[in-house]
Amino acid sequence: GEDVEQSLFLSVREGDSSVINCTYTDSSSTYLYWYKQEPGAGLQLLTYIFSNMDMKQDQRLTVLLNKKDKHLSLRIADTQTGDSAIYFCAENVAGRRALTFGSGTRLQVQP
Amino acid sequence: NAGVTQTPKFRVLKTGQSMTLLCAQDMNHEYMYWYRQDPGMGLRLIHYSVGEGTTAKGEVPDGYNVSRLKKQNFLLGLESAAPSQTSVYFCASRLAGDRDEQFFGPGTRLTVL
Repeated sequence: GEDVEQSLFLSVREGDSSVINCTYTDSSSTYLYWYKQEPGAGLQLLTYIFSNMDMKQDQRLTVLLNKKDKHLSLRIADTQTGDSAIYFCAENVAGRRALTFGSGTRLQVQP
Repeated sequence: NAGVTQTPKFRVLKTGQSMTLLCAQDMNHEYMYWYRQDPGMGLRLIHYSVGEGTTAKGEVPDGYNVSRLKKQNFLLGLESAAPSQTSVYFCASRLAGDRDEQFFGPGTRLTVL
């Protein structure tokens, strides 16, 4: 989805925080999502944020939304080796029937 | 609930052969989707359906056809497979509301020789 952009790769050490960034272009986005894909598996929803929120926290996950800059980030605190996966951001735009996905960020966690 | 299931998990085709991928969901979802995933390109929407008997084109529909004869099933057909269709195919489903989560199947890995 060219409407949603992510960097392709991020490498962190175990125990550090990871920040995965995403930019989108449509100001009509209603919900923004983060999905996780482990090797050989489908995508699973990690968390989502409504467009009128700035921040959402869920255990080790913090989502920040900057509507002015159309920037979304996912912070994973105390990153573990089990967090190694591809992370996709996606937007839901009012009136569209399908989510638009970014190209995914591969997170590599080094012991 | 089994969620979203896909059949088959793996398939190898020769150029020109045809096949059908089956997606089934048991969550009474209205919307169903077919995506393909290629390295570095994320998920691209092939076709989708907003209800039984309806289908619509997505971002990359050429070379594929779909049918939604029953609400719980969404079929993806390749009439004449090409090497460019080598990919991992994911089916997904969703209730219908803006906030509703999109659930994904485990994927089908297709290789066209």
